[in-house]
Amino acid sequence: EIVMTQSPATLSVSPGERATLSCRASQSVSSNLAWYQQKPGQAPRLLIYGASTRATGIPARFSGSGSGTEFTLTISSLQSEDFAVYFCQQYNNWPPITFGPGTKVDIK
Amino acid sequence: QVQLVESGGGVVQPGGSLRLSCAASGFTFRDNAMHWVRHAPGKGLEWVAFIGYDAINQYHADSVKGRFTISRDNSKNTLYLQMNSLRTEDTAVYYCARNYYYGSGSYLFDFWGQGTLVTVSS
Repeated sequence: EIVMTQSPATLSVSPGERATLSCRASQSVSSNLAWYQQKPGQAPRLLIYGASTRATGIPARFSGSGSGTEFTLTISSLQSEDFAVYFCQQYNNWPPITFGPGTKVDIK
Repeated sequence: QVQLVESGGGVVQPGGSLRLSCAASGFTFRDNAMHWVRHAPGKGLEWVAFIGYDAINQYHADSVKGRFTISRDNSKNTLYLQMNSLRTEDTAVYYCARNYYYGSGSYLFDFWGQGTLVTVSS
């Protein structure tokens, strides 16, 4: 099973600032990595797939990069609606599909 | 628009059973693979099970294998999760999610339901 880790666990950012979230896989997942946003009481929303492709309707301020074992999600200028928990997920070697533990982005 | 509506959650004693349902609309259900994913309190997301569009291929997480069974009825546009021998550690919000296919090897989730809470407690 591929183990996904994320850092930091919590990221405190001011509105308008840039946020950089990291995700690491225990072995290569190529570019088969997705990012999701989840707000309290809501279902997750797909942001990025294929490590760097934005899903339909996702604003351009969200970008993904990386391949192999190291990945980054960047939010270029945080808006109030972006404060949430972000999960990465690998789908290269499955079953099982595995998720990272999440990074909470909160208001500084 | 795509809608996934889960039902069937509730409180059950350890060792008990529940069957979750997920009613799909707004897309051609029979053409799409589907998943169940759960989110336990204070923990991360955990993939539970997958079923192909035609139900031929099914996979379950090791943590539920032999206890949970995913199935679907394409004539009713409905996905199911039969959960037997429930344990306290199965307590979670259970989501059904549509598989997003963009090419070979795509196993991720583009639409999710709002979830149904399963609480296993004596």
